[in-house]
Amino acid sequence: AQSVTQLDSQVPVFEEAPVELRCNYSSSVSVYLFWYVQYPNQGLQLLLKYLSGSTLVKGINGFEAEFNKSQTSFHLRKPSVHISDTAEYFCAVSDPNFGNEKLTFGTGTRLTIIP
Amino acid sequence: ETGVTQTPRHLVMGMTNKKSLKCEQHLGHNAMYWYKQSAKKPLELMFVYNFKEQTENNSVPSRFSPECPNSSHLFLHLHTLQPEDSALYLCASSQGAQGNNEQFFGPGTRLTVL
Repeated sequence: AQSVTQLDSQVPVFEEAPVELRCNYSSSVSVYLFWYVQYPNQGLQLLLKYLSGSTLVKGINGFEAEFNKSQTSFHLRKPSVHISDTAEYFCAVSDPNFGNEKLTFGTGTRLTIIP
Repeated sequence: ETGVTQTPRHLVMGMTNKKSLKCEQHLGHNAMYWYKQSAKKPLELMFVYNFKEQTENNSVPSRFSPECPNSSHLFLHLHTLQPEDSALYLCASSQGAQGNNEQFFGPGTRLTVL
């Protein structure tokens, strides 16, 4: 079985400061990893994904994440946040053998940008 | 309409009511999903349809009944729900059910069971 842990339920950050949202996963097999963002009153939107290859993945809106197999982590980072980044961020993992039928989400991290 | 749409956006129902949630995707995808999003809990995958065939049912109570008449439409029929079923119900679609396919989500239906 696979699982995802997002250690921080809420992260307040000043505008233009850097941010890192943490995600750790557990799985006995190779994984696909995703970060989704949910803006208020909207559905989830894919920020970026890791399938294979380079461990540093760049996504939309200036976000990037690094896959670290030894630490089973996939932390999300942005060097300078904007007010519009206020949202909830979800890390997710899937088993390539089962695909989206076994997509497991974390509990989410609410990012609040302070002006 | 573009993307994934869901109706209604808000629904309040009593425990004895029967209602249905509707999802429509305009992306030409072949897989559709129902998720339940409750506060402080991970997103829960409820049902998966791939090419109109149900391929996953994550031990969902029978008071939730999905229907997928074609690859563009997905319904969730509700009857005799409990207050703990109150949540945001999200629909999603993807090109296929393979794990590297991005899922596109609708805005959700906020369900309140009284």
